[in-house]
Amino acid sequence: DQQVKQNSPSLSVQEGRISILNCDYTNSMFDYFLWYKKYPAEGPTFLISISSIKDKNEDGRFTVFLNKSAKHLSLHIVPSQPGDSAVYFCAASAWGNEKLTFGTGTRLTIIP
Amino acid sequence: GAGVSQSPRYKVTKRGQDVALRCDPISGHVSLYWYRQALGQGPEFLTYFNYEAQQDKSGLPNDRFSAERPEGSISTLTIQRTEQRDSAMYRCASRSVTGTMNTEAFFGQGTRLTVV
Repeated sequence: DQQVKQNSPSLSVQEGRISILNCDYTNSMFDYFLWYKKYPAEGPTFLISISSIKDKNEDGRFTVFLNKSAKHLSLHIVPSQPGDSAVYFCAASAWGNEKLTFGTGTRLTIIP
Repeated sequence: GAGVSQSPRYKVTKRGQDVALRCDPISGHVSLYWYRQALGQGPEFLTYFNYEAQQDKSGLPNDRFSAERPEGSISTLTIQRTEQRDSAMYRCASRSVTGTMNTEAFFGQGTRLTVV
């Protein structure tokens, strides 16, 4: 039972263009969502998060959008840079529950 | 320490042996989490601690898996009578506060366990 789904295993984007990574969830109790970025041989590192009371959160080149009715969130990176090439994991948690549920990840490749 | 430290980085063990994986969280971090990540998958929750108390162990696959954090700092994940299906990357994460996950967790580099 995959409660957090990232249906695109990989994505290639030209440098300078926008990268859009998508994530869907099924558990309506989830109220906090995070994106983690992972380079090879390293642990995941936190990138950006959003609470369910918001529909958008922006941090520099990174913006996360949340559509609660569709149970969908997306991460926008603009402009994309070669250093953004990594695996991106979407994760979610429910109020009062400290565990994170992760998606399977999307490998983003930025083409110079 | 500067980050979450896990040891060993790599562990190869024979089926049936016991293994102990260690996690040293960021100094002062209250919450400590164990995750398991199979190839091509996202991290899967195993268990977590607030201080020395194990709060949730619902993700532990079976009773061969156990974890402890006796002094509220370093934690050990023990797998008894290992099986080949236990092969995975085991990741530890820590957070500075308890409560819901509205703060980031910092992950270690993981321990790659291979059971042969």
